[in-house]
Amino acid sequence: ELKVEQNPLFLSMQEGKNYTIYCNYSTTSDRLYWYRQDPGKSLESLFVLLSNGAVKQEGRLMASLDTKARLSTLHITAAVHDLSATYFCAVDMNRDDKIIFGKGTRLHILP
Amino acid sequence: DSGVTQTPKHLITATGQRVTLRCSPRSGDLSVYWYQQSLDQGLQFLIQYYNGEERAKGNILERFSAQQFPDLHSELNLSSLELGDSALYFCASSASSGPEQYFGPGTRLTVT
Repeated sequence: ELKVEQNPLFLSMQEGKNYTIYCNYSTTSDRLYWYRQDPGKSLESLFVLLSNGAVKQEGRLMASLDTKARLSTLHITAAVHDLSATYFCAVDMNRDDKIIFGKGTRLHILP
Repeated sequence: DSGVTQTPKHLITATGQRVTLRCSPRSGDLSVYWYQQSLDQGLQFLIQYYNGEERAKGNILERFSAQQFPDLHSELNLSSLELGDSALYFCASSASSGPEQYFGPGTRLTVT
């Protein structure tokens, strides 16, 4: 059974700091997704990582994928308050479109 | 705005009842996915349809069913509702050309 673990589950940090959210998964998969969810809102797709070594960047967020280590990271550079949200990683189970989500990392950035 | 629409936005009903949630995918998207988000279970994949056919099944209860119609809209039917079915239900769609999913605004179901 595919398991997806994120850590930390809660992160409070100050503006201007850097931090990394980790996403580990338990079985082979080569499609990993990162989503953002604001309170009471829907999910917004941030990144889709499709291959080992993939790195994608958008603004202050950068995601990477290491399929051998079964690990993805979401790195936040010089955090700003607007990045406060819950971030989910999700893994595609053997390309059959069953997507398993992590529990989410609730990020709170203090002004 | 993702282009995926869901109705209704909110639904309050009693235990034992049956409800239908509706989803219209983005124009041209053939795949529709349903998810349930609750505090205790987190985000769970329920079911996927592709061009009218069931393609993948997740943790969907037997009391729940779904279908995708020829115009590609989808409906999720929840019956014999229990308090624990209270959750946000999201629909997402994707194009056949890529894996990215676009989520609708969700339907908040409250079972009393």
